[in-house]
Amino acid sequence: QSVLTQPPSASGTPGQRVTISCSGSNSNLGNNFVYWYQQFPGTAPKLLLSTNNQRPSGVPDRFSGSKSATSAFLAISGLRSEDEADYYCASWDDSLSGWVFGGGTKLTVL
Amino acid sequence: QITLNESGPPVVKPTETLTLTCSFSGFSLTTGGMGVAWIRQPPGKALEWLALIYWNDEKYYNSFLKNRLRVTKGTSDNQVVLTVTNVDPLDTATYFCAHSPKYPSSPPLEFDFWGQGTLVAVSS
Repeated sequence: QSVLTQPPSASGTPGQRVTISCSGSNSNLGNNFVYWYQQFPGTAPKLLLSTNNQRPSGVPDRFSGSKSATSAFLAISGLRSEDEADYYCASWDDSLSGWVFGGGTKLTVL
Repeated sequence: QITLNESGPPVVKPTETLTLTCSFSGFSLTTGGMGVAWIRQPPGKALEWLALIYWNDEKYYNSFLKNRLRVTKGTSDNQVVLTVTNVDPLDTATYFCAHSPKYPSSPPLEFDFWGQGTLVAVSS
């Protein structure tokens, strides 16, 4: 049972816009930044979105994020087949004094 | 260019102690703001953060595993060691280390560079 809650799966067709949610509490998302990671099978996760929804170098602007109170959202526009991966949200939790992750969302491009 | 590389035994027996080493380049843990985190991922499951150590020896642990984890700086400035005591088959996972910065008056920041991970199986 992960501290942050994500839907286990999401899907879309090429060109569509897909949104993945991440739900937490005041001690994490409500008071700290959210980060998003992308992971392909058999590889290490990669930082996708950083603080204030900053995209690290090389991340396409098709990826964007938002946060409202204790929920965060990752949006992928112009969906492409190469976006098929697992996506994780993460945040610092003040009550636990540690990092917490979501359970991950497997994105399928139909 | 920051790179990290995890090393450790591929198999450990239940109740034994697992020792993992993260060797990195492109930064030093003697430099202010630098930190290294450990994260693991059981096969087919989600990421789980384990521990974090900063340049000033500040440490944080997963509260559910705290009694079994220990993170230390290695014998050289470019290594961090994680030990997990009394391992169980549930500790079977790929273990990743990652660079994690922290600046004055800021909360802990992202895992911006990751190692490729090392798979550890706990089995008798």
